Amino acid sequence: DGGITQSPKYLFRKEGQNVTLSCEQNLNHDAMYWYRQDPGQGLRLIYYSQIVNDFQKGDIAEGYSVSREKKESFPLTVTSAQKNPTAFYLCASGVGVRETQYFGPGTRLLVL
Amino acid sequence: GENVEQHPSTLSVQEGDSAVIKCTYSDSASNYFPWYKQELGKGPQLIIDIRSNVGEKKDQRIAVTLNKTAKHFSLHITETQPEDSAVYFCAAGRGSAGNMLTFGGGTRLMVKP
Repeated sequence: DGGITQSPKYLFRKEGQNVTLSCEQNLNHDAMYWYRQDPGQGLRLIYYSQIVNDFQKGDIAEGYSVSREKKESFPLTVTSAQKNPTAFYLCASGVGVRETQYFGPGTRLLVL
Repeated sequence: GENVEQHPSTLSVQEGDSAVIKCTYSDSASNYFPWYKQELGKGPQLIIDIRSNVGEKKDQRIAVTLNKTAKHFSLHITETQPEDSAVYFCAAGRGSAGNMLTFGGGTRLMVKP
């Protein structure tokens, strides 16, 4: 069953804690992306990666970090430096040249 | 950079009527325009896309039109059904920019039975 999986579905963060959101794809896509969505808002790009071991900052990268050690995995860490982390986080992957992006089901991050 | 504006932010129609959502973009180099449907608590799902070498594309009840000169594109849904109720996002992108997409703010479509 091909697709993009994100885990967990819900994640709770305590003050000063780093948390990591998982994103895995078995579509053999080269490109992967992380977006943040606030209630009633559009999608804002946090980080993206075009190839293994390489990634670039998006529009709102401050307080977040990523890694791309494997083609199928692109985890996002929300650090304690991100002062307003409550949001819906969406991972996407793309077929490269044709620009089409496909989204995972999302992770909702809440602060305790 | 690219800026995408989407209107209206909310749209309510009667079942069976048509719905139209419009987007404008600022970067004339953008050449790829996808539309996504997002249901509550889920990730966006690609429903249709169009490239700048095409003026119109249709897939059953949905169609997208593109006016490159005016830099705007629209989503048309005919014979709306209650299951069409969702938030719809337009986006604009160009491959030379690393497959980046810029999204509009979204339109909440409500189809009343």
